[in-house]
Amino acid sequence: DTEVTQTPKHLVMGMTNKKSLKCEQHMGHRAMYWYKQKAKKPPELMFVYSYEKLSINESVPSRFSPECPNSSLLNLHLHALQPEDSALYLCASSPQGLAGSRETQYFGPGTRLLVL
Amino acid sequence: AQKVTQAQTEISVVEKEDVTLDCVYETRDTTYYLFWYKQPPSGELVFLIRRNSFDEQNEISGRYSWNFQKSTSSFNFTITASQVVDSAVYFCALSEATFRDRLAFGKGNQVVVIP
Repeated sequence: DTEVTQTPKHLVMGMTNKKSLKCEQHMGHRAMYWYKQKAKKPPELMFVYSYEKLSINESVPSRFSPECPNSSLLNLHLHALQPEDSALYLCASSPQGLAGSRETQYFGPGTRLLVL
Repeated sequence: AQKVTQAQTEISVVEKEDVTLDCVYETRDTTYYLFWYKQPPSGELVFLIRRNSFDEQNEISGRYSWNFQKSTSSFNFTITASQVVDSAVYFCALSEATFRDRLAFGKGNQVVVIP
């Protein structure tokens, strides 16, 4: 089973709202990732958690706040977003993360976010 | 500098034709991994294949085949007898030992299969 689930599938929010994206995997993976993907572009890495600790933050604005409550769950808290933050947000997981380049990342279906 | 180049932006083929997607990569590492992912309109990135830098064997999986050539830094992907369900964006990606956890994606190939 290589399933990563994400909720909600679609989200519309105003610039003053606070919302959260959720990602879950039950493959026993210890690394989880958030990506942002704009239309007709490749995914861009935002955050990496490895063993529930934030290991990479790609200089993401503070209006995006990640959280990893346990090894199978990853959240992305959103606050005061801008219209240009509208995108597909993808979650991924891999077995360890620390093991480096040989791991395959498995992606979820994404959340399509529209900021008005 | 772009580490993964997928030159063809959009490719249209008629159903049952073969289509080859080119991927050229650049790295100084001797240990690296190459990946292909498929992204249908639904949005999910579906893992297709991983190949490490020490394994130049070509791979075939059903109608999909991959040709890895270190001499030309290429990892090309061929879909044989294309079907409408193959319509998607295909991404080639590179993972280097120096940049753990980071996948360098190419810009993607939009494949449109016309029935």
